[in-house]
Amino acid sequence: QKEVEQNSGPLSVPEGAIASLNCTYSDRGSQSFFWYRQYSGKSPELIMFIYSNGDKEDGRFTAQLNKASQYVSLLIRDSQPSDSATYLCAVKRWNTPLVFGKGTRLSVIA
Amino acid sequence: DVKVTQSSRYLVKRTGEKVFLECVQDMDHENMFWYRQDPGLGLRLIYFSYDVKMKEKGDIPEGYSVSREKKERFSLILESASTNQTSMYLCASTRQGGQPQHFGDGTRLSIL
Repeated sequence: QKEVEQNSGPLSVPEGAIASLNCTYSDRGSQSFFWYRQYSGKSPELIMFIYSNGDKEDGRFTAQLNKASQYVSLLIRDSQPSDSATYLCAVKRWNTPLVFGKGTRLSVIA
Repeated sequence: DVKVTQSSRYLVKRTGEKVFLECVQDMDHENMFWYRQDPGLGLRLIYFSYDVKMKEKGDIPEGYSVSREKKERFSLILESASTNQTSMYLCASTRQGGQPQHFGDGTRLSIL
């Protein structure tokens, strides 16, 4: 059974701080890794994807991948109240469906 | 930008009805997916399709069927709706390989 584990939260951070969201996965053959943001009552929105070990930066967001440890993380710098949402980690092998974690709820306190 | 369009945002149906949820994507994606999302249970895959007229069962296919007659359209069918199928239904599409999935806005379905 392929699994993706996330801490459900809520993770509370003050405005302007760095939010760190973590995810572990069980399938060592996973090749693609994604972070989605989901606001309450809305559908998931892709914010980052990463395929190789290391860091990938996009604006205030950095995705980090460590395949040896089967670990993916998302850093959000200068957190804003508008970043308050549930963040879903998802992984996949090539041309197979995504396996989603249940998400971490992030609350950014003004 | 990828556009995945689900036919209804909100839908109310009665138990025993046959319910159709429609999904259309405009990016010529090969792969399409149907999920349901419930509090505490996360996203669960119902069915997916890698090509026209092809379908694969996901994790929770019972009580559902799908149809993909055209590449851009993927329909989810509740053969005889039951109250435990009240949920948020999400359609997604992607190209083959390791590309990210893009979601529609979702349909919040209530079965009374």
